[in-house]
Amino acid sequence: QKEVEQDPGPLSVPEGAIVSLNCTYSNSAFQYFMWYRQYSRKGPELLMYTYSSGNKEDGRFTAQVDKSSKYISLFIRDSQPSDSATYLCAITNAGNNRKLIWGLGTSLAVNP
Amino acid sequence: DAGVIQSPRHEVTEMGQEVTLRCKPISGHNSLFWYRQTMMRGLELLIYFNNNVPIDDSGMPEDRFSAKMPNASFSTLKIQPSEPRDSAVYFCASSLTGQGSAGATFGSGTRLTVV
Repeated sequence: QKEVEQDPGPLSVPEGAIVSLNCTYSNSAFQYFMWYRQYSRKGPELLMYTYSSGNKEDGRFTAQVDKSSKYISLFIRDSQPSDSATYLCAITNAGNNRKLIWGLGTSLAVNP
Repeated sequence: DAGVIQSPRHEVTEMGQEVTLRCKPISGHNSLFWYRQTMMRGLELLIYFNNNVPIDDSGMPEDRFSAKMPNASFSTLKIQPSEPRDSAVYFCASSLTGQGSAGATFGSGTRLTVV
């Protein structure tokens, strides 16, 4: 079993839709959870960073962590064509935050 | 700020040739990371430098891979000899100490094709 599992998609939605992206992980020691956005032919950029369980909101983006289920989610409200990208989850533990464990990424297309 | 600068953007080389990838981190950043990204394996950390010193190279796949950071503004990743399975996008990222990988800024990558 991989340490982080992420459905690669692709996911295609109409503009304005609510998008839900998800990852599952296997090691309960992980405490830090991140979502990155990667545009085509670019490097990943950090979108959201959460610690332990709970929700974190930033504009149209909400990150949710359920440690009991080892499940993390990223919600995008009022999706825009500019949100079209690959979204990667990444996790780490407290003592080794230089080494992230990455999901393979979910490709999202928001159609105008 | 120009961000993390990588060169070349694309490299096509024949199997057995030496390949050198270059990275200029963001000025003032003292942590540097080299990653490899493929469809099958995703992003993999190859090596991590802090203050120009290699701290963790456990992700370097084989002895054919080597990385150097002669000063705070330049790093190289060398593959010698290259093989078709090395074809991937190689990213360099930099951050301030303490931010770790999570706070790193990535370059746009070098797309390597070994034929």
